[in-house]
Amino acid sequence: DIQMTQSPSSVSASVGDRVTIACRASQGISSWLAWYQQKPGKAPKLLIYAASTLQSGVPSRFSGSGSGTDFTLTISSLQPEDFATYYCQQANSFPLTFGGGTKVEIK
Amino acid sequence: EVQLVESGGGLVQPGGSLRLSCAASGFTFSSYVMSWVRQAPGKGLEWVSGISVSGGSTYYSDSVKGRFTISRDNSENTLYLQMNSLRAEDTAVYFCAKTVTTTWSFDYWGQGTLVTVSS
Repeated sequence: DIQMTQSPSSVSASVGDRVTIACRASQGISSWLAWYQQKPGKAPKLLIYAASTLQSGVPSRFSGSGSGTDFTLTISSLQPEDFATYYCQQANSFPLTFGGGTKVEIK
Repeated sequence: EVQLVESGGGLVQPGGSLRLSCAASGFTFSSYVMSWVRQAPGKGLEWVSGISVSGGSTYYSDSVKGRFTISRDNSENTLYLQMNSLRAEDTAVYFCAKTVTTTWSFDYWGQGTLVTVSS
């Protein structure tokens, strides 16, 4: 199985900050990676798929990069509604696997 | 508008069975692969199972293989998850999810249904 490791597990940031979240796959997954945002009590929301494709309706302050084993989600200017937990997910092979999550908290 | 509505969750004893349903609307259900994803209380996301558009191919996580069965009824626009031999560690909110075309990423999710396995 492909293990997905996210770092950091939590980050404290202020509105307007640039935030970067890393995701590493235990083996190469080409560009088959997605990023999700989840708020408490809600279903996850797709932000990015295929490593760098912005899902329709998602603000352009979110961006994704990487290929192979190392990937990054960047929020260019953190907004109040962005405080949430973020997950990466590999879509390369079964079983599909998620990272452990990164909680973005208010500083 | 795409809608996914799960039902069938509840309290069940260890060793028991439950069948979850996911009613889909707002898109051509028969054209998309579908999945179930779960989240234990206070924990992260765990993919459980996936199914091809025809239902002819199914996929499972190691933790549920042999106990859970995914299926679909394209005439009824409904996805199912039959869960047998339930364990305490299966306690979670179960989400059904629609995939983005050509990938196994999930662009629409249901609101989730809670399954609690406890005596």
